[in-house]
Amino acid sequence: DIQMTQSPSSLSASVGDTVTINCQASQSINTYVNWYQQKPGTVPKVLIYAAFNLQSGVPSRFSGSGSGTDFTLTISSLQPEDFATYYCQQSHSPPYTFGQGTKLEIK
Amino acid sequence: QVQLVESGGGVVQPGRSLRLSCAASGFTFRTYGIHWVRQAPGKGLEWVAVILSDGINEYYTDSVKGRFAVSRDNSKNTAYLQMNSLRPEDTAVYYCARFGAGLDNWGQGALVTVSS
Repeated sequence: DIQMTQSPSSLSASVGDTVTINCQASQSINTYVNWYQQKPGTVPKVLIYAAFNLQSGVPSRFSGSGSGTDFTLTISSLQPEDFATYYCQQSHSPPYTFGQGTKLEIK
Repeated sequence: QVQLVESGGGVVQPGRSLRLSCAASGFTFRTYGIHWVRQAPGKGLEWVAVILSDGINEYYTDSVKGRFAVSRDNSKNTAYLQMNSLRPEDTAVYYCARFGAGLDNWGQGALVTVSS
């Protein structure tokens, strides 16, 4: 099974900052990574699919990069509504595992 | 618009069974794989299972293999998660989700509580 190791597990930042969240796969998965945002009490929402493709309706301050085993989600110019938990997920081969999550909090 | 609606959650004793349904609308159901993802209280997302669009190929996470089974009825635009031999650690909100551009549409979730 492919393990997805996400870091950091939590992150404190201010409005206007740029933050990066990392995800490392235990084996090469090409660009089969998706990123999700979840706010408390709500359903997860896909932000980025296939490593760098922005889902329709998602603000352009979100971007994804990487291939092989190392992937990054970058959020530029943080907005108040961006404080949430973020997850990576590999869709290369089953089981389609998630990372442990990164909780982004307001500093 | 795309919609997924889960039903069938509830409280069940350890060792018993429960079946979740995921009713889909607003898209061509038969052409999409349907995934099940769960989230235990206060925990992260855990991928559970998938049934592909062919209705034949299905995959599971190790902790549910042999206990859970996915199926679909394309004539009813509905997917199912049959959960047998339930354990307390299966307690979670269970989501069904469509795989398009990633898991791009999710149901609202069904709470399953396994407790005596």
